[in-house]
Amino acid sequence: LAKTTQPISMDSYEGQEVNITCSHNNIATNDYITWYQQFPSQGPRFIIQGYKTKVTNEVASLFIPADRKSSTLSLPRVSLSDTAVYYCLVDVNTGFQKLVFGTGTRLLVSP
Amino acid sequence: EADIYQTPRYLVIGTGKKITLECSQTMGHDKMYWYQQDPGMELHLIHYSYGVNSTEKGDLSSESTVSRIRTEHFPLTLESARPSHTSQYLCASSDDRTSGSNQPQHFGDGTRLSIL
Repeated sequence: LAKTTQPISMDSYEGQEVNITCSHNNIATNDYITWYQQFPSQGPRFIIQGYKTKVTNEVASLFIPADRKSSTLSLPRVSLSDTAVYYCLVDVNTGFQKLVFGTGTRLLVSP
Repeated sequence: EADIYQTPRYLVIGTGKKITLECSQTMGHDKMYWYQQDPGMELHLIHYSYGVNSTEKGDLSSESTVSRIRTEHFPLTLESARPSHTSQYLCASSDDRTSGSNQPQHFGDGTRLSIL
């Protein structure tokens, strides 16, 4: 399974755009990149998933360069409620997800 | 919001007791998972299931056992709890799809277990 590396923590202010980059140098051809968000005392929640180029949904965008060895989660105009841990994962498309969670990035949004 | 429920949310119990953590989902998902997470640490997969009567051990060795008699129910059992079992246990489920993008896992809010 591909290992991911992301910053341990990030700080931001309300209204700013936050970009969290994740590296996955040994990503395989069939792997997808998925991001989850976790609040204290809750389970992770799916944010976005992509395979290549750019994916956008109502809460975030995911940018994936051509070599797919990294990806960037972009959160537009963060609010205090976006303070959480964000996990970047690579899932192998074998029909069964066996997710490997790293320590994630702790995002702190201040007023 | 995902319809996956875990009970109890919190449990404080003495050493040697038998414990069952409940997990139920109403989405009809075939695949279910149990993760263990210590405070501030990463999640570790301890059990998973492809469907009814299917259970497999995950990447992290665990003394717990699981069963899958019904699609919607995936309980985790500790026969004799010890302080080393103190942790948060998270249950998840995902849709059964073998092609295209992987379906996301839907997580419950977890059971925080403390063994005295």
